[in-house]
Amino acid sequence: NAGVTQTPKFQVLKTGQSMTLQCAQDMNHEYMSWYRQDPGMGLRLIHYSVGAGITDQGEVPNGYNVSRSTTEDFPLRLLSAAPSQTSVYFCASSLGGPASYNEQFFGPGTRLTVL
Amino acid sequence: KNQVEQSPQSLIILEGKNCTLQCNYTVSPFSNLRWYKQDTGRGPVSLTIMTFSENTKSNGRYTATLDADTKQSSLHITASQLSDSASYICVVSAEKLIWGAGTKLIIKP
Repeated sequence: NAGVTQTPKFQVLKTGQSMTLQCAQDMNHEYMSWYRQDPGMGLRLIHYSVGAGITDQGEVPNGYNVSRSTTEDFPLRLLSAAPSQTSVYFCASSLGGPASYNEQFFGPGTRLTVL
Repeated sequence: KNQVEQSPQSLIILEGKNCTLQCNYTVSPFSNLRWYKQDTGRGPVSLTIMTFSENTKSNGRYTATLDADTKQSSLHITASQLSDSASYICVVSAEKLIWGAGTKLIIKP
């Protein structure tokens, strides 16, 4: 099992550009989520999905879109990049949601810089 | 307001020594409490998950404790190794996960 994979590992964008961060898992997990991690702060939830075809907003969704067409894939789209979106982005998956006893598995992260 | 606070922010100890990291939370309703280890440049990795009925849980040299009455948890690391150098993050689950900012632990030889 590869677990949770993310691409790319690093990305530099100019303000206003768009891009898609890829995330895939091979554990047949229903619950997937995207976080951003900024220095000195806890991880913040951007969007999450409880299954294919179902997505919802987290605490910092503005400027980001997601879709979940398959159980395995959960891409994150930046619509028009801004310097405030400079961060490290993590994708995670688990069998159940936060209230469950299920372990959450994280990808290696994408380090994004917006100039 | 749901909050998770960790202390200390950073800690330096010598290899072979023990240490304890603290987590205080004000989260309701409480489902479970998790400790993660995050190596520099990598994603968090789960160490333990505890419900309110579990007081202690171990994972090798890592032992987490939970006092649901005082809303405090601790992570004790025994006989530290250089590979324990990482950030340790406390996460409390309510209807969503509330993440602490982490404690950065450095083990010196």
